[in-house]
Amino acid sequence: DTEVTQTPKHLVMGMTNKKSLKCEQHMGHRAMYWYKQKAKKPPELMFVYSYEKLSINESVPSRFSPECPNSSLLNLHLHALQPEDSALYLCASSPPSGETQYFGPGTRLLVL
Amino acid sequence: AQSVTQLGSHVSVSEGALVLLRCNYSSSVPPYLFWYVQYPNQGLQLLLKYTTGATLVKGINGFEAEFKKSETSFHLTKPSAHMSDAAEYFCAVSTGGGKLIFGQGTELSVKP
Repeated sequence: DTEVTQTPKHLVMGMTNKKSLKCEQHMGHRAMYWYKQKAKKPPELMFVYSYEKLSINESVPSRFSPECPNSSLLNLHLHALQPEDSALYLCASSPPSGETQYFGPGTRLLVL
Repeated sequence: AQSVTQLGSHVSVSEGALVLLRCNYSSSVPPYLFWYVQYPNQGLQLLLKYTTGATLVKGINGFEAEFKKSETSFHLTKPSAHMSDAAEYFCAVSTGGGKLIFGQGTELSVKP
């Protein structure tokens, strides 16, 4: 089973709100990723967690805060977002060998 | 540095016709190559991958791709297009370290 789940599917938030996105996988993968995707564009890497430690931060603004509570879960905490942060947020995971990433269905975020 | 170029942002074929989506890559080390498909309002689904071994790779839904090192190409083909193949297709390269480099994507339209 190569399933990555994400909740919620859709999220609308104001610029002063705090919300969180959740990602879960039960494939024993030890690397997890957050991507941001704008319409008609490829996904852009935001963060990488390897063995529950943050290994890559692609200079993402601090209003995005990732968290990896355990090897199956990945959260993205959102605070004081801007309208330009509206996008599809994708989570992915990969096995310890690392080369193949499996993506979740995404959370479509709208910031008003 | 690694890079991926997808020739043609939009490809249109008739149902039953050959599908050919072009991907060229640049990599200083042996690459891992991937094709992902993204249907509207969904996440990315892995179609196929090349890591090592046989250069002709078969994937899901009747797609296949051939790794040609001399041409630095990894074109995606399907002998007969189906209406359900209409989607966005992304070629990607990975050289380890948790980063996937995506091409800009090719939107495939299938005409009845």
